[in-house]
Amino acid sequence: QVQLVESGGGVVQPGGSLRLSCTASGFSFRSYAMHWVRQAPGKGPEWVAVISFDGSNQYYPDSVKGRFTISRDNSKDSLYLQMHSLSAEDAAVYYCATEAPEKFLKYWGQGALVTVSS
Amino acid sequence: EIVMTQSPATLSVSPGERATLSCRASQSVRSNLAWYQQKPGQGPRLLIYGASTRATGIPARFSGSGSGTEFTLSISSLQSEDFALYYCQQYNYWWTFGQGTKVEIK
Repeated sequence: QVQLVESGGGVVQPGGSLRLSCTASGFSFRSYAMHWVRQAPGKGPEWVAVISFDGSNQYYPDSVKGRFTISRDNSKDSLYLQMHSLSAEDAAVYYCATEAPEKFLKYWGQGALVTVSS
Repeated sequence: EIVMTQSPATLSVSPGERATLSCRASQSVRSNLAWYQQKPGQGPRLLIYGASTRATGIPARFSGSGSGTEFTLSISSLQSEDFALYYCQQYNYWWTFGQGTKVEIK
């Protein structure tokens, strides 16, 4: 079955950096676009980044553009999110998710908690 | 940005009763609308896509309807495992989510 496991979450100081990883199994990772979505406590999810199946295209909302970078290594079935200049507004559970051909998000991981605190 | 507005914020329903959740888009998203269920400590689980197509393994008591800007998720006879948070999401132009409806036991 499809499994997505996020890792790398933790506590980071304001202005700091953190790198999240997502390891995929149970499907052909290299065939699908992948997303990062975050969810602050008590809030709805917020889309953070998408990367094409081959890594050639990446897109971000304005809230993270220039600070976050999504990447992937298809040889390792792994997705990454490099985050810089973190602030309290970035504190959330970060999920990786697969994109279906029709563009909705089909499978989600369990999430990685990012806390921004001094 | 397309803003998704869900109502009500909380829905109190007795087991076995019907629940109806609403989702409105700030502009047309055609039928590019998905519904997700989320339980504490878990990632969202896809229920419905294309506004009305059930995802694999989703029970028939879940149904979706609507197009354009107005959408509905119905749960025909609530089971204990259905008490959870529900989110709508549009994927017509990038991806945005509603703030959620909590379905709680009455």
